[in-house]
Amino acid sequence: DVKVTQSSRYLVKRTGEKVFLECVQDMDHENMFWYRQDPGLGLRLIYFSYDVKMKEKGDIPEGYSVSREKKERFSLILESASTNQTSMYLCASSLSGRVTDTQYFGPGTRLTVL
Amino acid sequence: AQKVTQAQTEISVVEKEDVTLDCVYETRDTTYYLFWYKQPPSGELVFLIRRNSFDEQNEISGRYSWNFQKSTSSFNFTITASQVVDSAVYFCALSEAQRGSQGNLIFGKGTKLSVKP
Repeated sequence: DVKVTQSSRYLVKRTGEKVFLECVQDMDHENMFWYRQDPGLGLRLIYFSYDVKMKEKGDIPEGYSVSREKKERFSLILESASTNQTSMYLCASSLSGRVTDTQYFGPGTRLTVL
Repeated sequence: AQKVTQAQTEISVVEKEDVTLDCVYETRDTTYYLFWYKQPPSGELVFLIRRNSFDEQNEISGRYSWNFQKSTSSFNFTITASQVVDSAVYFCALSEAQRGSQGNLIFGKGTKLSVKP
């Protein structure tokens, strides 16, 4: 079974803090993704990575950066957290970037920025 | 323009009722894939099904069935004899060959299903 894990289920941070959200997958997948999920807006893609040290912006990259130093790990970074970044963050991975590939999701991190 | 539309925001049914979740998509690609995911209250999205654009056969898996109709650009999901454990948010998603060739998914906004005992 594919397993995608995220470092925290719940996180509370203060405005201006630097926040790291970690995601690890154990299936040697090439592609990894970060989404945020907000009520009424569904899932929106923040960034994705198709290889180590490679990244591409998604639909809403502003205020975020990412890091992929190892194939199994993909980090989302909020350089200076703001209250409008309070959200559910979901990480996913897929075998490669083919249109056929299924994305498998982690359990999510619910981030609250005070 | 929204590419995946789930017009039903919330649905509430009583246990054992059948329920259909609608999904309408828009794409110019001839090669694409459609997906359904389930998100229970625990938060993790669980993959349910993947269907390619060349296969219009309906699919049945236990109490779940999917109806794919290219003529109406729809990929509807039916739960037969619903159970309380089916309560979740269900997402329909589209993967297009032309979208950067990275298999990125375009999600609908989800339908929240509540099944009451």
